[in-house]
Amino acid sequence: AQSVAQPEDQVNVAEGNPLTVKCTYSVSGNPYLFWYVQYPNRGLQFLLKYITGDNLVKGSYGFEAEFNKSQTSFHLKKPSALVSDSALYFCASLRSGGSYIPTFGRGTSLIVHP
Amino acid sequence: NAGVMQNPRHLVRRRGQEARLRCSPMKGHSHVYWYRQLPEEGLKFMVYLQKENIIDESGMPKERFSAEFPKEGPSILRIQQVVRGDSAAYFCASSPGQGRVDSPLHFGNGTRLTVT
Repeated sequence: AQSVAQPEDQVNVAEGNPLTVKCTYSVSGNPYLFWYVQYPNRGLQFLLKYITGDNLVKGSYGFEAEFNKSQTSFHLKKPSALVSDSALYFCASLRSGGSYIPTFGRGTSLIVHP
Repeated sequence: NAGVMQNPRHLVRRRGQEARLRCSPMKGHSHVYWYRQLPEEGLKFMVYLQKENIIDESGMPKERFSAEFPKEGPSILRIQQVVRGDSAAYFCASSPGQGRVDSPLHFGNGTRLTVT
């Protein structure tokens, strides 16, 4: 079985401050992990992924995520938030060698205040 | 540079009518996923298809819902005898297919179904 949890429904941060959106996973075996962003009335857009290799993954729009196997986490981070980063963020997982169907978290609404 | 195309963007149906949602995958992609999104519930998997074959439909209700991806033309998600609880945003995503499991999904902009 595989699942991801996003423990925060909403994250508020001031523009210019660092942001973190949390994700923990439960996947047997080696996980493939993804972050997506959804803007209002749009579909999800891919931000970054962890497959193997370096634990720190860099993605689009200045976002990065750190894979932590001991804590089974894959938190999304950005050093300096922009108002335009305000959106809904989804973490997703796949089990290597398993189903090709990604499982998504419930989403975290990021609000960046001017 | 056509991405995943979904139509219609908005669909209003009365209870008991049929809803047909269409999805054309990204060029070169042979696999399609359908997800349903409700506020507070996130994205729920419904069905995974390749052309002329349903790979996994474990997330789709057994009654009233069906999906197909014919050899020619778009993938269709069909909901018969709609009820108010079917009101949601339905998203289609495509991928290159099995063997490219690390490829991210490409999503369409969704169809927002409202049942009155």
